[in-house]
Amino acid sequence: EPEVTQTPSHQVTQMGQEVILRCVPISNHLYFYWYRQILGQKVEFLVSFYNNEISEKSEIFDDQFSVERPDGSNFTLKIRSTKLEDSAMYFCASTGQGARKLFFGSGTQLSVL
Amino acid sequence: AQTVTQSQPEMSVQEAETVTLSCTYDTSESDYYLFWYKQPPSRQMILVIRQEAYKQQNATENRFSVNFQKAAKSFSLKISDSQLGDAAMYFCASAVGARQLTFGSGTQLTVLP
Repeated sequence: EPEVTQTPSHQVTQMGQEVILRCVPISNHLYFYWYRQILGQKVEFLVSFYNNEISEKSEIFDDQFSVERPDGSNFTLKIRSTKLEDSAMYFCASTGQGARKLFFGSGTQLSVL
Repeated sequence: AQTVTQSQPEMSVQEAETVTLSCTYDTSESDYYLFWYKQPPSRQMILVIRQEAYKQQNATENRFSVNFQKAAKSFSLKISDSQLGDAAMYFCASAVGARQLTFGSGTQLTVLP
């Protein structure tokens, strides 16, 4: 079965540093998402991306966050100046036309020290 | 806005027995999807089963089945012949079309040998 791949699997950074989390969605998919899960809590929606622009974003997705699809295959999440509370597992997901099944990547665990 | 509620933070079941995980949701949309995701200790999000709201027939995937009660906005997951590998956190989720998933807070399932 096709997979969404995320790199790195773990990222450790210092507070205030910029991080970029990378995702390669499934090749023929059109809708892309980032979710996050703080340890022990529910999975929360951050942002959705379609047709090279953000289609929806949550209140978590403030000016410190941005997304990009730079080359037609990668889908990135950038956090400009990380805070301690950004420590979480970040999941990328994608789905195709009809959007009947969301495929999740295996996640990037971000630790902000 | 959609909300998803899982009222059982923890459940346990004896191996080979059947267990039912509860989920209720609220949405003003008429066309939506419901999902159960499994999250093992690896924290990967694995789709277990999906139900389209317009379908009256309950979805089934091998040992997993749902009881979808649209009027009651209830969407429970039944796991038959429970196996040790079923032990995980289970999240109920809803979505409208290609829009973001809204997750419940999860139920931690323990399978006892």
